[in-house]
Amino acid sequence: DTGVSQDPRHKITKRGQNVTFRCDPISEHNRLYWYRQTLGQGPEFLTYFQNEAQLEKSRLLSDRFSAERPKGSFSTLEIQRTEQGDSAMYLCASSPLTTGGFGYTFGSGTRLTVV
Amino acid sequence: AQTVTQSQPEMSVQEAETVTLSCTYDTSESNYYLFWYKQPPSRQMILVIRQEAYKQQNATENRFSVNFQKAAKSFSLKISDSQLGDTAMYFCACEKTSYDKVIFGPGTSLSVIP
Repeated sequence: DTGVSQDPRHKITKRGQNVTFRCDPISEHNRLYWYRQTLGQGPEFLTYFQNEAQLEKSRLLSDRFSAERPKGSFSTLEIQRTEQGDSAMYLCASSPLTTGGFGYTFGSGTRLTVV
Repeated sequence: AQTVTQSQPEMSVQEAETVTLSCTYDTSESNYYLFWYKQPPSRQMILVIRQEAYKQQNATENRFSVNFQKAAKSFSLKISDSQLGDTAMYFCACEKTSYDKVIFGPGTSLSVIP
């Protein structure tokens, strides 16, 4: 297993366009998380899944954002009608246990630039 | 709601010296987990050390150790024998045991000077 993979690494898009990011977690991890990180700040929680169920969405996740995890494997994060304020690093992480406490394995992130 | 505060935006340390990064947190939970994560420049975030709140003994991982003061809600990270590869952003984080979501602090940028 090569860890958590995110694709693409970088995305430049024009304002108003839709973008989709993909995350492939470690295969045996049943929890998957999405965070957003702006320059010089800590990651902010967006949403997380346990298997295919989306258990929580942050209020940061406006109705332009949607996330899925079909079949409890990879996950996608879509942003519709992108705005300049969406420019950030989008981090995906996974963890193996339902009880928590063991920390996350992070991917390298997708850096989104909206021009 | 949980909050995590790191009052030192930037720090520097001479190579081979010891440095301590500060963190305070606020949670209403009686049991929880605390973490320090490291994010090197342009590289992915990795877990450095974890502490279970119900354990009084401070966690250690090689050159990294923590000073966990539960009553004061303080969780500092000590890096001994600092190395150039320790240059990174360091994030303190907190997770409720009953709810598997980690809240991160704003980070401390550490520079190790040769």
